[in-house]
Amino acid sequence: GNSVTQMEGPVTLSEEAFLTINCTYTATGYPSLFWYVQYPGEGLQLLLKATKADDKGSNKGFEATYRKETTSFHLEKGSVQVSDSAVYFCALNYGGATNKLIFGTGTLLAVQP
Amino acid sequence: ETGVTQTPRHLVMGMTNKKSLKCEQHLGHNAMYWYKQSAKKPLELMFVYSLEERVENNSVPSRFSPECPNSSHLFLHLHTLQPEDSALYLCASSRSSGGGSTEAFFGQGTRLTVV
Repeated sequence: GNSVTQMEGPVTLSEEAFLTINCTYTATGYPSLFWYVQYPGEGLQLLLKATKADDKGSNKGFEATYRKETTSFHLEKGSVQVSDSAVYFCALNYGGATNKLIFGTGTLLAVQP
Repeated sequence: ETGVTQTPRHLVMGMTNKKSLKCEQHLGHNAMYWYKQSAKKPLELMFVYSLEERVENNSVPSRFSPECPNSSHLFLHLHTLQPEDSALYLCASSRSSGGGSTEAFFGQGTRLTVV
C-alpha cells in the first residue's frame, strides 16, 4: 500500500545550522509529494510540494526534490532560525477523486538560539 | 489564517456526553476531510466528503458520526466516547479534482479530552 516514512525526532539544532529531515515513500503510480509544517497550537500549513519526478519544491528557504529512483523527498534548509521550530510532516497524495493525503508521523524540530 | 475555521478549539467531555465539532471553509472548495492526530502516530484520515457526499469512511467507530450539510460546512458528532479518543481533530478542505496535485488546507484543530 501507500505509505510515508520520516526520520524520528526530535531534531535539535543551533540557529544557522543546516537542516535535513529524511522522508521516503512507498506508492503505486506517481504520487504528488508534500511537506506540511505545524507550529505549536496550530493546524497544518503547506510548506512546499512537488508533483513529478525531479521537481524541486521550495518556500521560505526550505527545499525538497522529488527523487523517484530513491523514492525520497528529503527536506533541507541551509540556515535554520528559532522561528522554524515546529513539527514537519511529509505526505503523499496519490490522486483520484478525493485527493487523500497520507502522512508520516511528523518530525519535531527544535532550534536553539 | 488558512480559510478553514474549527470550533471549539478545546473541548472536554464525559464519556456519556454528546457534543459536536464544527468546521467551516471559505475557500470555495468542494471536498472536506476529518483527520485524527494522536501523539506519536501518523495523522489518521477518518472521513472524506466530496460534493457533499461521504466517499470514504476509514473504519471509524460509529460513536463518531460526520455530517456535511453543504460544501462549506462539516460537522463531527460525538457520543459515548472513550478516553483513547482524546486527540487533536483536524478538519481540512481541498478541491476535489486536480489529480492529486492539489493541496489540502487545514483548520487549527479541536483539542478533545474525554474524561
